[in-house]
Amino acid sequence: EAQVTQNPRYLITVTGKKLTVTCSQNMNHEYMSWYRQDPGLGLRQIYYSMNVEVTDKGDVPEGYKVSRKEKRNFPLILESPSPNQTSLYFCASRFGTVDQPQHFGDGTRLSIL
Amino acid sequence: GENVEQHPSTLSVQEGDSAVIKCTYSDSASNYFPWYKQELGKRPQLIIDIRSNVGEKKDQRIAVTLNKTAKHFSLHITETQPEDSAVYFCAGSLDNYGQNFVFGPGTRLSVLP
Repeated sequence: EAQVTQNPRYLITVTGKKLTVTCSQNMNHEYMSWYRQDPGLGLRQIYYSMNVEVTDKGDVPEGYKVSRKEKRNFPLILESPSPNQTSLYFCASRFGTVDQPQHFGDGTRLSIL
Repeated sequence: GENVEQHPSTLSVQEGDSAVIKCTYSDSASNYFPWYKQELGKRPQLIIDIRSNVGEKKDQRIAVTLNKTAKHFSLHITETQPEDSAVYFCAGSLDNYGQNFVFGPGTRLSVLP
């Protein structure tokens, strides 16, 4: 089954404790992206990647890191999480051209205390 | 950078009536405009999209119109049904490959039986 898999789905942690949210897709998509969703603000793009070893900042990259060492994986790293990073996070992927639909994962709800 | 505004923030319609959601964008270079539907607790899903060289696109009960001069685009849902109840997001993309997305804040549509 074609899918985007995020882990964990839920995480409660404390300020400053490094964490990684994994994202994996099995559709051989070139493009992958991370978004955060906050009430009243919609989805805001954090980072995106057009292919292996190619990543770019979205609109809200501060406090986040990503890597794209393999085509299927695009982990989101919070080196020193803070409470303002409490949010619902979505990973998405699609083929390279713009007219292909983005497939979203089920989301990861992060709470930083 | 790009800014996407979306109105209204909430919309209630009677079943069978039409619903219209409007978005405006700030950057005239934006050239790709998708619409996503997000049901409660679920992932966003693409429902329709339009490129800047097209004025209108239709898919069954859903249509999108684009006015490049005025920099706005709209989602039209006809013959609404209860299952259309969801949050709808518009988005604009600055580049030919839709890499960098900016989403609107969302519209919560309620279809009343």
